[in-house]
Amino acid sequence: GNSVTQMEGPVTLSEEAFLTINCTYTATGYPSLFWYVQYPGEGLQLLLKATKADDKGSNKGFEATYRKETTSFHLEKGSVQVSDSAVYFCALTSTISYIPTFGRGTSLIVHP
Amino acid sequence: GAGVSQSPSNKVTEKGKDVELRCDPISGHTALYWYRQSLGQGLEFLIYFQGNSAPDKSGLPSDRFSAERTGGSVSTLTIQRTQQEDSAVYLCASTPGTSGSPYNEQFFGPGTRLTVL
Repeated sequence: GNSVTQMEGPVTLSEEAFLTINCTYTATGYPSLFWYVQYPGEGLQLLLKATKADDKGSNKGFEATYRKETTSFHLEKGSVQVSDSAVYFCALTSTISYIPTFGRGTSLIVHP
Repeated sequence: GAGVSQSPSNKVTEKGKDVELRCDPISGHTALYWYRQSLGQGLEFLIYFQGNSAPDKSGLPSDRFSAERTGGSVSTLTIQRTQQEDSAVYLCASTPGTSGSPYNEQFFGPGTRLTVL
């Protein structure tokens, strides 16, 4: 079956530091890959997505590249802000299953 | 336009009582999902609707949990005889289009925080 593995959190950074949150996956079929963000007290919202190999999703300074050869979709941002503090979820959907598969989430804490 | 809404936002109940959680998806979204998020945990899939039908109920943790969807719109998740381990945030999400499309992002509601005393 499908699975998503994210790095354990929390990730604690100072403002303006570089961010990487690792995500790897296993999937049957041809998956689409997503990053969602959950701010405190809110539901998840889409941050970015990529639907085929080598695509790069980007939004709000965040980027992730769909790497089929390494089955990875790592999230990066060059300079984090305090307002980026949230929980980040990597997820996939595939042509085989209509039920998205989510990682366990990675908490990011950014200090001023 | 309006997003996914859920009610109530918070629910405190006593062990053994029944509760109903409501989800209003985005208008026109045919697929609807319920998830449970326990403290510090990821998302646990509960049930999926395509229209009014629930082709996959495999995530429901016990027969105390049930859900329905009417008119291809509003959905209600019911938990009977609540237990303390049911305490969690219950999230609803909807997606446009038909089942099986891998490209559709999920649109989430803000969740209902359920506390069973």
